[in-house]
Amino acid sequence: GAVVSQHPSRVICKSGTSVKIECRSLDFQATTMFWYRQFPKQSLMLMATSNEGSKATYEQGVEKDKFLINHASLTLSTLTVTSAHPEDSSFYICSATKGERGGPTDTQYFGPGTRLTVL
Amino acid sequence: AQKITQTQPGMFVQEKEAVTLDCTYDTSDPSYGLFWYKQPSSGEMIFLIYQGSYDQQNATEGRYSLNFQKARKSANLVISASQLGDSAMYFCAMREEAFSGGGADGLTFGKGTHLIIQP
Repeated sequence: GAVVSQHPSRVICKSGTSVKIECRSLDFQATTMFWYRQFPKQSLMLMATSNEGSKATYEQGVEKDKFLINHASLTLSTLTVTSAHPEDSSFYICSATKGERGGPTDTQYFGPGTRLTVL
Repeated sequence: AQKITQTQPGMFVQEKEAVTLDCTYDTSDPSYGLFWYKQPSSGEMIFLIYQGSYDQQNATEGRYSLNFQKARKSANLVISASQLGDSAMYFCAMREEAFSGGGADGLTFGKGTHLIIQP
């Protein structure tokens, strides 16, 4: 199988606080994990690529100091939204790949997502 | 220019009929992968089918098949004998060859098609 979990599934926080979201590959080692964001009725947009043991690669327009990513092991990546504001409210989804090289043929398996609401 | 284009924002289909969801893509990379995901109202992204740019045959997975026309840069999803449970958002996505530092690239998603199966 290829199961990816996320925790928490829902979080509500006050403006200015930080929120940490965990992404775990449960039954495989993920060389690469990805973080996406999805606003209501829109598509998924890639935020960053996370490789175990190295710094994350952020997409253009994504603030790396605001969205901190830590890929501490081959089964865990975390996304921390720092000093969250209402405009950060969104559905955050992680995915993980099994392949060693992570080429174009490597299927991404998605977590169930985390719905963040910033008041 | 959009890399992935899904021209059908919404579709209504009678149960048991076949459905074709359109997807065209744009890339200059010779090596890429095309994916279809289903997203029900719960938000999880469910992997359906994959097609590699060098694959000679169209991919099939149960009731799902991918009509891959490379020259036209089209990768339509065909669902045979639709069921009520097929009602969901469907996203076409592409992953291009990773050239940067051996890491994998994330997926680029289309805007999705909202499929509703009617009894």
